[in-house]
Amino acid sequence: GENVEQHPSTLSVQEGDSAVIKCTYSDSASNYFPWYKQELGKRPQLIIDIRSNVGEKKDQRIAVTLNKTAKHFSLHITETQPEDSAVYFCAASLPGKLIFGQGTTLQVKP
Amino acid sequence: EADIYQTPRYLVIGTGKKITLECSQTMGHDKMYWYQQDPGMELHLIHYSYGVNSTEKGDLSSESTVSRIRTEHFPLTLESARPSHTSQYLCASSSRNTPQETQYFGPGTRLLVL
Repeated sequence: GENVEQHPSTLSVQEGDSAVIKCTYSDSASNYFPWYKQELGKRPQLIIDIRSNVGEKKDQRIAVTLNKTAKHFSLHITETQPEDSAVYFCAASLPGKLIFGQGTTLQVKP
Repeated sequence: EADIYQTPRYLVIGTGKKITLECSQTMGHDKMYWYQQDPGMELHLIHYSYGVNSTEKGDLSSESTVSRIRTEHFPLTLESARPSHTSQYLCASSSRNTPQETQYFGPGTRLLVL
């Protein structure tokens, strides 16, 4: 069935290092891939997204890449800061809804 | 300010009680969604709506029901609460008028069923 696999489930990095979170989706009809950040006790918030006609998108320290052939997309955070610590969710679109990955808990150590 | 509102934010209730979780949005969106999420865990879609008088079941089997009588309002009802319903419930909305149909989330309702 339709699903999104997200890895790793937990990621710990030193402040200033880069972090990469990877997702794989199953349905080739998916054409929109958002990433959400959820801080402890807060609502998920969109941080970046990419559409299927684009291979890469950047916004300051974060970037997302998409490989439609392999059905992979990844979130890259450079120069990580303690405030980047949160749970990150990838998602892939299907008609009328989003399918979310299982989430990655990112811990940035000062 | 355009936002999504959920009430109550926290609810402790006994087994067997009927409860309704409220969700309203002033985003001007036509689509609305309900997710169930244990803290920091995966989001599970339980219901969604394309617009007034439209409701669809999501991927997670749920003993809840929803209604969509007004565009801005999408309440979720549990007829008989059980301890297994203890979780966080997130409401979201999106607009079919934007190419990506990005979903925006409300602050959530944390439910504890004793």
